[in-house]
Amino acid sequence: TQLLEQSPQFLSIQEGENLTVYCNSSSVFSSLQWYRQEPGEGPVLLVTVVTGGEVKKLKRLTFQFGDARKDSSLHITAAQPGDTGLYLCGRPGANNLFFGTGTRLTVIP
Amino acid sequence: DAGVTQSPTHLIKTRGQQVTLRCSPKSGHDTVSWYQQALGQGPQFIFQYYEEEERQRGNFPDRFSGHQFPNYSSELNVNALLLGDSALYLCASSRRLFTGELFFGEGSRLTVL
Repeated sequence: TQLLEQSPQFLSIQEGENLTVYCNSSSVFSSLQWYRQEPGEGPVLLVTVVTGGEVKKLKRLTFQFGDARKDSSLHITAAQPGDTGLYLCGRPGANNLFFGTGTRLTVIP
Repeated sequence: DAGVTQSPTHLIKTRGQQVTLRCSPKSGHDTVSWYQQALGQGPQFIFQYYEEEERQRGNFPDRFSGHQFPNYSSELNVNALLLGDSALYLCASSRRLFTGELFFGEGSRLTVL
């Protein structure tokens, strides 16, 4: 099993602060996805990164795929309470998706 | 456009009992995957159904079984329940096995006492 380790496991910040969460592995991936899971909901896809070094922006969220395609980061600028949730990275396998351990983010108003 | 629907949303069972969870995929999707999510953890892949057959399976015992019907809906069955089976069970649908995105239901939260 190619493990995806996410850090930190928990993060609690004040509204308006910036934060970065990480997804790391010892294996090279063809692509990597980020999902957000809000309380009481299923995960929802935020972005897919494919190329080493790729940077994608989604409003206040910036996603980066490492040059070696073994790691990825998610940076949130000026966090808002609506950003609260479990952030999951996922690697596509053979016709399916395997998830990391998750980072649980709480943004305090 | 109906999304992925799961039932029941919550249920409580006792050790040794059996449970059946149900999932209807998003309209236009033909593949269903099941995941187990323990509290505070990422979802763990159980198995995937496509064309009414189990196509892939994660590291789960034979107590976990499933079925897919001709209308693409699916069931997850767990026999001889253990306390450790308490979790959120998520159903995800996609097209033609996996074309880049999974759409998830809200899950069925199972508590085993």
